[in-house]
Amino acid sequence: AQTVTQSQPEMSVQEAETVTLSCTYDTSESDYYLFWYKQPPSRQMILVIRQEAYKQQNATENRFSVNFQKAAKSFSLKISDSQLGDAAMYFCAYRREMGYGGATNKLIFGTGTLLAVQP
Amino acid sequence: DTGVSQNPRHKITKRGQNVTFRCDPISEHNRLYWYRQTLGQGPEFLTYFQNEAQLEKSRLLSDRFSAERPKGSFSTLEIQRTEQGDSAMYLCASSLVGLAGDEQFFGPGTRLTVL
Repeated sequence: AQTVTQSQPEMSVQEAETVTLSCTYDTSESDYYLFWYKQPPSRQMILVIRQEAYKQQNATENRFSVNFQKAAKSFSLKISDSQLGDAAMYFCAYRREMGYGGATNKLIFGTGTLLAVQP
Repeated sequence: DTGVSQNPRHKITKRGQNVTFRCDPISEHNRLYWYRQTLGQGPEFLTYFQNEAQLEKSRLLSDRFSAERPKGSFSTLEIQRTEQGDSAMYLCASSLVGLAGDEQFFGPGTRLTVL
């Protein structure tokens, strides 16, 4: 079974600084997706960034980038130029390669990292 | 279209009562997921529909839980004879096969408190 581990329950960063959130996972599959989701307080979860396992190039979305190390099964999120609005719970998630037909594409989440941004 | 909606947003009930939650997915999304999130944990998968067919149920989904998606549109999740351990946030997500890598869009959740 696949598992996702986030070893940092809480992190703090100064506004405008850079912070890195860690995530490791375990799987025997070769094709899969990895995600970082953001869950602000009392608000719904939104996708921050996605990485396809077959792509060697690390995904980037504006101030958010990942460091994907497939052999090490590591998937960290770097937030540059942190803003107050980045304060939230961040979840790392795994999903198998998109299944056609009836195969499920359920997400497997880590326990989350609560990020605080200090002004 | 304003995204996935869930009702009610909050539900307080007494142990032993039945509760039902509703999820309205994004229009034309053919896949719908239910997750449960307890305090300090990440969401855990409960069940999944493709159109109206329920294709997978987690072992977390005891016999007291039932989910439906009639006509492949909205979905309901019912919990019978609620227990205090059922207190959690229940999240719904929807996706469309072939769109953005089958990205799941989440609703705001229904927070259940069982007294």
